[in-house]
Amino acid sequence: DGGITQSPKYLFRKEGQNVTLSCEQNLNHDAMYWYRQDPGQGLRLIYYSQIVNDFQKGDIAEGYSVSREKKESFPLTVTSAQKNPTAFYLCASSVPGSHNEQFFGPGTRLTVL
Amino acid sequence: AQKVTQAQTEISVVEKEDVTLDCVYETRDTTYYLFWYKQPPSGELVFLIRRNSFDEQNEISGRYSWNFQKSTSSFNFTITASQVVDSAVYFCALSGPNTGNQFYFGTGTSLTVIP
Repeated sequence: DGGITQSPKYLFRKEGQNVTLSCEQNLNHDAMYWYRQDPGQGLRLIYYSQIVNDFQKGDIAEGYSVSREKKESFPLTVTSAQKNPTAFYLCASSVPGSHNEQFFGPGTRLTVL
Repeated sequence: AQKVTQAQTEISVVEKEDVTLDCVYETRDTTYYLFWYKQPPSGELVFLIRRNSFDEQNEISGRYSWNFQKSTSSFNFTITASQVVDSAVYFCALSGPNTGNQFYFGTGTSLTVIP
């Protein structure tokens, strides 16, 4: 089945530790995205990548880093510089182009203790 | 600037009632795209519909219908004869060729259908 997988579903980390969230897709999409969702708020874009080895900052990139070494993978690292990392993180992919819908993974709920 | 407003934070309806979710957008682009997504309790967003700015035809898909009106910058979503399975958070989103393919999401409307 084609789709997007994110692992793990729930993640707990101590304050001050970096943590990497996984996102894998087998839809053969060139574009991939990371969003953050907080209660009562919409999705906010952290980073996006239109093609392998290239990525751009979204609206809230501070404290996060990404890599895009393979087409199917777009891991997100939440660094200790992110002041409020506890949130629900969603990964998405699409065929590049603003008219194309994005397909979402199941999300990872990160809790920093 | 691109902006999407979903003024209804939470809505509760009794099963079989009709419900309309409002979406108002702002953009300076003449070409743009509007989307609706459903987020069930599991968390994954599910794509429902895309509409481009040149197509103002209303669309119906089963119990779902969408009313796009450029004159009022609105793209409202109606569920007819609601069911418990419709309980979810619904997001409206906007994108366009000048947004770098970025989607701008509203804050979502949480719909609860009471059996």
